[in-house]
Formats: sequence, C-alpha cells, structure tokens
Amino acid sequence: EVKLLESGGGLVQPGGSLRLSCAASGFTFTDFYMSWIRQPPGKAPEWLGVIRNKANGYTTEYNPSVKGRFTISRDNTQNILYLQMNTLRAEDTAIYYCARGLRWFAYWGQGTLVTVSS
Amino acid sequence: DVVMTQTPPSLSVAIGQSVSISCKSSQSLVHSDGKTYLNWLLQNPGQSPKRLIYQVSNLGSGVPDRFSGTGSEKDFTLKISRVEAEDLGVYHCVQATHVPFTFGSGTKLEIK
Repeated sequence: EVKLLESGGGLVQPGGSLRLSCAASGFTFTDFYMSWIRQPPGKAPEWLGVIRNKANGYTTEYNPSVKGRFTISRDNTQNILYLQMNTLRAEDTAIYYCARGLRWFAYWGQGTLVTVSS
Repeated sequence: DVVMTQTPPSLSVAIGQSVSISCKSSQSLVHSDGKTYLNWLLQNPGQSPKRLIYQVSNLGSGVPDRFSGTGSEKDFTLKISRVEAEDLGVYHCVQATHVPFTFGSGTKLEIK
C-alpha cells in the first residue's frame, strides 16, 4: 500500500525558514517522480514543483512562483522527500502535500499545515 | 500560466440526481506527446484531494463508474450520475500538460 506522510509544519515568522518532510512507503521510491503541492485556506491547490526519479537524474522543476525560495530534494536511502522553504511570507500559509508522480495526482499525503505569521 | 475556469462554483443536488461540472482552459491541453493531461479531483471535507479521472476520461482505481469525464483541447466536463452522499465536497480540475500545472478554483457540491 502506497503511503505518504508529511511532517515539519508549524508556525514560523515572516522571513523565516522551514523544512518539510514526506516519508514514503509501499513502493520503490527511486522509481518515481515526487511532487509538492500546497493549498492555502479556502483556496485551490497550487503545484510547487517536482523532483524526478533515478532514471532522470533526480533533476528538479519548480513553479516560478516559488523558484529561488523553495528547494525540493530527496533522501533515497531513507525514502524521504523534502521541501526547504526560505524567506517565508504570509501568503505561503497553506497545507502542504506531497504526491507521488508528476502528472497523475493518484497518491497524496494527508498534508502538513504551515502558518507564516508574527 | 494556463488558467483553468470551472463552473459552476457551487451546486446543491438531491441524492440520485445527476450533475455536470465544466472546466475550460486558456490553452489547449494537448501535450506534444499527443496525450491530454486533464485530471479531476474530489476533496471531501477535511481530507486530501482524491483523484477521480485522469487524462480526460480514464477512471482512477477504485472510483465508481458513476463518474465520467469527457472533453478535448480546451473544454472538459465531469459528470456524476446518481449522486450519493459521499460525493459531497469540492471538485477540482487540474491540467498537467503545461508547467506550472494549474488547478481550477473548484466546484463545491452540497447534498440537499
């Protein structure tokens, strides 16, 4: 069974940093692209970016809205996906989800809430 | 970015009725590989989104066949036949053809 479990969310001040984790299980982690998606309260989701699989060199691609501030990485020995978020702003307040794959949106985690506020 | 316009923003239907939700994109969603990456998701209250339909008309695993998707190019429709109580929530279309992938603003389905 595919399982994705996000963690690391919480309250952070504007300008601060946070690193989110997504623990994956139930599939061969290195075979799959992994994505991050966020959803501000009461709004539509927003795709943040993707890290490709082993066959594609673990390269990354980002939404221009977060490029330069957010970094996606993965630990393929522990099957963990990361999202490093820097220079956080109030508008980054959202539930952050990890998802398996690029275009399919078939598997999502339960999400972790990030609140950016002073 | 591709803009996804969903209508209506909300629906109130009785159990057993059928409904349709429209999703229109600002650009053609036909990828250079010939496929059209348009998905439909359902977000039940307090839950993560769940995929219903992928590539316009393919039913996701475990999704009841009361759900169906049609469309092409820039114009897509999700139909729910015989609505059940578990169908309440917010429906989103999402295009995965053009980076950055973008979501519709959602259609909230309420049960009368």
